[in-house]
This record gives sequence, C-alpha cells and structure tokens, in this order.
Amino acid sequence: DQQVKQNSPSLSVQEGRISILNCDYTNSMFDYFLWYKKYPAEGPTFLISISSIKDKNEDGRFTVFLNKSAKHLSLHIVPSQPGDSAVYFCAARTFQGAQKLVFGQGTRLTINP
Amino acid sequence: GAGVSQSPSNKVTEKGKDVELRCDPISGHTALYWYRQSLGQGLEFLIYFQGNSAPDKSGLPSDRFSAERTGGSVSTLTIQRTQQEDSAVYLCASSKTSGAAYEQYFGPGTRLTVT
Repeated sequence: DQQVKQNSPSLSVQEGRISILNCDYTNSMFDYFLWYKKYPAEGPTFLISISSIKDKNEDGRFTVFLNKSAKHLSLHIVPSQPGDSAVYFCAARTFQGAQKLVFGQGTRLTINP
Repeated sequence: GAGVSQSPSNKVTEKGKDVELRCDPISGHTALYWYRQSLGQGLEFLIYFQGNSAPDKSGLPSDRFSAERTGGSVSTLTIQRTQQEDSAVYLCASSKTSGAAYEQYFGPGTRLTVT
C-alpha cells in the first residue's frame, strides 16, 4: 500500500526554467509534508516543508504547494540550476504516527545546461 | 562535523551471517530513526527511538531485525541470518522533538550487500 506516490521516476529540465515535481498521497490523516533532496552516496537532506493548514510555503527558489482536496503536492524550483540535479523525495507524516515519515519513491531531476 | 554519522559505509556479507550497523546521531537530538532504501524504492521506515520511551518497531520486516539505542545516543541495527532481500542502503536519521518542523537529519547510509 503506497500511501505516498511520486509517479515520475525522472524529470529533465533546462537550466533557468522551472522544475515541477509532483507527489500524490492517499492518507487523509497526513498533517505535515516534507521534501528531501538526495545526492549520490549521501543521505537525504531536508529542503522544505508544509503543514496541512497551509496551501503554499516558499523559501527562496523553492515553493511547495498543497492541494488537500486533490491529495496532491508539488515542489517548484525556479530558476533551476545545475546543482539542483538530484533525487527528490516527498514525505508525509500523521499526527498519530508522530515522527514516522512515509516516503515516496523519489524523482530524479536532471538540469541540463 | 556535527552531522549524523554511520558505519560502516559499505558492508558485504554472506547469506546467513549476522551484521551490525551503527549510527551516531546529532548531539542533543532525542529522536533517532532507521530507514532502508531498496533498489528503485523509496525510504522504508524501520524503527524509531524517542528518549527513554519504548521504541516504535512497527516497521521492522521480520524478527531477524532488531535495534537498540544505548544511553540515548548511539544506535545499532542488527540483522541476523541475513538474506539477499536484505540488500539495501540503511539510513539513520535524528531530530529534535521540539518545534513545529520535525525535520529529520540523515546520515550517509550503510550500503549492505548480501551475497
């Protein structure tokens, strides 16, 4: 039962353009969502998060949008830079699940010069 | 380096042998987690420690897996009688439990290969 799904295993974007990574979830009890970025041979690093009481959170070039009715969130990166090339994981947690995060399968983003 | 550290970085073992994986969390972080990432999959929760509370073991895939956290700091994940399906990257993370964000900080992982 995949509660968090990232249906695009890979995405290729031109440098300077907008990258949009998508994530869908099925558990309506999720109250907090996070995006992590992972480079090869390193652990995931926290990027940005959003509470279920909000629909948008912005941090520099990164913006996360949450559509609760559609159970969908997206990460926008603009402008995209070569250093953004990495695997991006969407994660979610429930209040009852405390700190236990449920991760999607990841999307490999490649920024082309 | 004040980040989460894990050892060894790589481990190759024969099927049926036991392995121990170690995690040193960030100093002051009271919560510690183990996840694993199998090839082509997302991160799968294994176990969670919070202070002196009983650990949440709900993600452990079988009774061959166990973990302990000594003195509220270092943790060891033990896999007994390893099987080929145990091959994965095992990731440890730690976090504070105060504040709204609950970000987990990950170590670089241990790549386990069972031959």
